[in-house]
Amino acid sequence: DGGITQSPKYLFRKEGQNVTLSCEQNLNHDAMYWYRQDPGQGLRLIYYSQIVNDFQKGDIAEGYSVSREKKESFPLTVTSAQKNPTAFYLCASRPPGQAYRGSNYGYTFGSGTRLTVV
Amino acid sequence: RKEVEQDPGPFNVPEGATVAFNCTYSNSASQSFFWYRQDCRKEPKLLMSVYSSGNEDGRFTAQLNRASQYISLLIRDSKLSDSATYLCVVNKGSNYQLIWGAGTKLIIKP
Repeated sequence: DGGITQSPKYLFRKEGQNVTLSCEQNLNHDAMYWYRQDPGQGLRLIYYSQIVNDFQKGDIAEGYSVSREKKESFPLTVTSAQKNPTAFYLCASRPPGQAYRGSNYGYTFGSGTRLTVV
Repeated sequence: RKEVEQDPGPFNVPEGATVAFNCTYSNSASQSFFWYRQDCRKEPKLLMSVYSSGNEDGRFTAQLNRASQYISLLIRDSKLSDSATYLCVVNKGSNYQLIWGAGTKLIIKP
């Protein structure tokens, strides 16, 4: 079955360390997204990529970096510059041009990675 | 003002009751509207899209009021399994990006 796999499910980071969250999809989707969710808040967009080798900053990109070397993979690195990294991170993907009535643009979400700074 | 605003709740509702949530949005150019359901520590899942004419899916009814820029979700005959956080989601102008509300927490009591 096609889907998005995020790993690990739980991740602990020491202050000052960089960590990389994995996101892999086998849906053949072009667009991929990284969101952050804090308690009591909605999802906020960190980075997105609409095609291989291209990505754009979202609303809260500071302290994060991404790469998109393969269509299937969109890893997110949380750098030491991110001052408050503890959060729930969600990866999503979407096929191109999904805008038909009744669709949610075809967004598919991974099951998330919960990052905690220790 | 937040782009998408919701009452955070929690709404404590007895099983079998009817409950309604509203959500307001600020971008008048938004064209697509959705309700997602999120269980604790899980990813959000699409509950239903919201059409201009209003739409119903079983016990769930969604309405859109463009003039006042709000959408609503009505849940009839609520079940214990309806306990979750309900997220209001709006597209960002003319592109496919989504703006998420903070969610309304619903607790159904036996």
